Amino acid sequence: KQEVTQIPAALSVPEGENLVLNCSFTDSAIYNLQWFRQDPGKGLTSLLLIQSSQREQTSGRLNASLDKSSGRSTLYIAASQPGDSATYLCAVRLAGGGADGLTFGKGTHLIIQP
Amino acid sequence: NAGVTQTPKFQVLKTGQSMTLQCAQDMNHNSMYWYRQDPGMGLRLIYYSASEGTTDKGEVPNGYNVSRLNKREFSLRLESAAPSQTSVYFCASTSFVGLPPYEQYFGPGTRLTVT
Repeated sequence: KQEVTQIPAALSVPEGENLVLNCSFTDSAIYNLQWFRQDPGKGLTSLLLIQSSQREQTSGRLNASLDKSSGRSTLYIAASQPGDSATYLCAVRLAGGGADGLTFGKGTHLIIQP
Repeated sequence: NAGVTQTPKFQVLKTGQSMTLQCAQDMNHNSMYWYRQDPGMGLRLIYYSASEGTTDKGEVPNGYNVSRLNKREFSLRLESAAPSQTSVYFCASTSFVGLPPYEQYFGPGTRLTVT
């Protein structure tokens, strides 16, 4: 059974710092990996999706990398801002699973101090 | 283009009552999903529908039923609610037609409390 782990569970940093969130998964046979942002009491907003054949994806100040063989992904946030405060979720889709759903980590709760 | 919509946003039930959570998407996606989110547990898949007319169990299906009413709508029913079903419920959809990336899109959630 696929298991997804996110470290750290919580992180608090001053505004302006660069930071890295980690995600690991036990079964490397994935189709893709998706990073989401969730604000308190809200739904999930997709940030980046990396196909299994890709090494990284970038969107603005966000960069996500994928090392499928080692079962790891990182989300790099550059020049953090208070508006980046949220919970960040990592989720994987298994390869060959057809339309099966995603397997999620428990998230990293991020606080950016002004 | 509203994306994925869910009703109601909030609901309080008493143990043993029944209710149906509604979900609709206007992106012409073929696959739809129901997840629940509990503190310390992350999101877990309840049921999914790969295409109109099909449904399959996910990780935690007990106590729930689903109906894929048409391509747009996918409902989740609690026949006899239990306190353990207190949770936030998310509906999602994905299109597997054409080329990847096959991104999953989520609704705003339904916050359900069973007393």
